[in-house]
Amino acid sequence: GQNIDQPTEMTATEGAIVQINCTYQTSGFNGLFWYQQHAGEAPTFLSYNVLDGLEEKGRFSSFLSRSKGYSYLLLKELQMKDSASYLCAASGGSYIPTFGRGTSLIVHP
Amino acid sequence: KAGVTQTPRYLIKTRGQQVTLSCSPISGHRSVSWYQQTPGQGLQFLFEYFSETQRNKGNFPGRFSGRQFSNSRSEMNVSTLELGDSALYLCASSLGLRAGNNEQFFGPGTRLTVL
Repeated sequence: GQNIDQPTEMTATEGAIVQINCTYQTSGFNGLFWYQQHAGEAPTFLSYNVLDGLEEKGRFSSFLSRSKGYSYLLLKELQMKDSASYLCAASGGSYIPTFGRGTSLIVHP
Repeated sequence: KAGVTQTPRYLIKTRGQQVTLSCSPISGHRSVSWYQQTPGQGLQFLFEYFSETQRNKGNFPGRFSGRQFSNSRSEMNVSTLELGDSALYLCASSLGLRAGNNEQFFGPGTRLTVL
């Protein structure tokens, strides 16, 4: 079966760096997604990794290790508007994305 | 370019009733997926359509069904509603064939409450 594990909640200070980890188990693998979801809003796409390594996109970076079934999302120079839920989703052999329950990030001044 | 639209935004039904939700994808997107989001289970995949064909189906009972029209608009139907069906139902569209390897654009969702 598919299993996605990520922390339920994290807190960080404005201007700091935070790393949100995600471990996954899937039957087959076709990529790892990160989405951001603000309270009461729809999820928005942040990144998609299918090869090992780090991909940087502005203040956000995403890392993937397929051999370890592990990914992380790195947020730099945190801003108050980064307070949101971050969803990790792994795509298995059937191309069905399985989402984790999300990590609620709270950024405080 | 307009985003993904879903109607209605809010719906209240009673147990045993049936409901139909509608989704219009971004213009040019032919893949539409549906998800159920609840606080306890998170975001769960319901099904995916491309060119009017169901490509994938999640682990939900047969009471949940869907279809896609020639203009890529999609509907999902839930029959014999149960209290546990209360959730936010999200529709997402993507440019590629499959949700599993393409960026998805989500609509605002339909909040269904079953009493």
